[in-house]
Amino acid sequence: GAVVSQHPSRVICKSGTSVKIECRSLDFQATTMFWYRQFPKQSLMLMATSNEGSKATYEQGVEKDKFLINHASLTLSTLTVTSAHPEDSSFYICSAKRDRQETQYFGPGTRLLVL
Amino acid sequence: DAKTTQPTSMDCAEGRAANLPCNHSTISGNEYVYWYRQIHSQGPQYIIHGLKNNETNEMASLIITEDRKSSTLILPHATLRDTAVYYCIVRVAYQGGKLIFGQGTELSVKP
Repeated sequence: GAVVSQHPSRVICKSGTSVKIECRSLDFQATTMFWYRQFPKQSLMLMATSNEGSKATYEQGVEKDKFLINHASLTLSTLTVTSAHPEDSSFYICSAKRDRQETQYFGPGTRLLVL
Repeated sequence: DAKTTQPTSMDCAEGRAANLPCNHSTISGNEYVYWYRQIHSQGPQYIIHGLKNNETNEMASLIITEDRKSSTLILPHATLRDTAVYYCIVRVAYQGGKLIFGQGTELSVKP
């Protein structure tokens, strides 16, 4: 299989601050990365699709100015939660896939708590 | 992408086979069936996928009915570490790669 890492694994921040989460594909080049959010007792919700070198495509209802996504290299995508509020507290998970392959490999997730 | 229906929860005895059903009656001819699982507080893990033939790998077997309207994921010898939420997802291949997760089946493997 392929390995995807996320950093940090947990973060606590104050309301109004911004938080950056990194997603890395460790042993393969990921042309496409995805960002998901998961609230307690709920399923994963796709937030956006990120292709290397181009702007991310956001799902309906996801604010692109609040959740900034950058995919500057084939092994790294970042999600920045800007001006975080308590309702942004959630489990954020990224996944990555190789070009012309279908399987997505998921990171371990980042738990964000906004106080 | 086609909608899937899975039981909310299932129990299985350790060492026995776990058979997880999935209905996808509106599946199209070019849609694959994917299975992922999520162990508590971790990212999802890919298990297996198939189009119309049965598939087997080191983790599980996937049995797809001839009409493709349903499938079953089989864990041949369930262990306590297989306790997780199992997601059945159908999607068209080579169209952006989006996975839309439903509620899945919470499998509890009991000693």
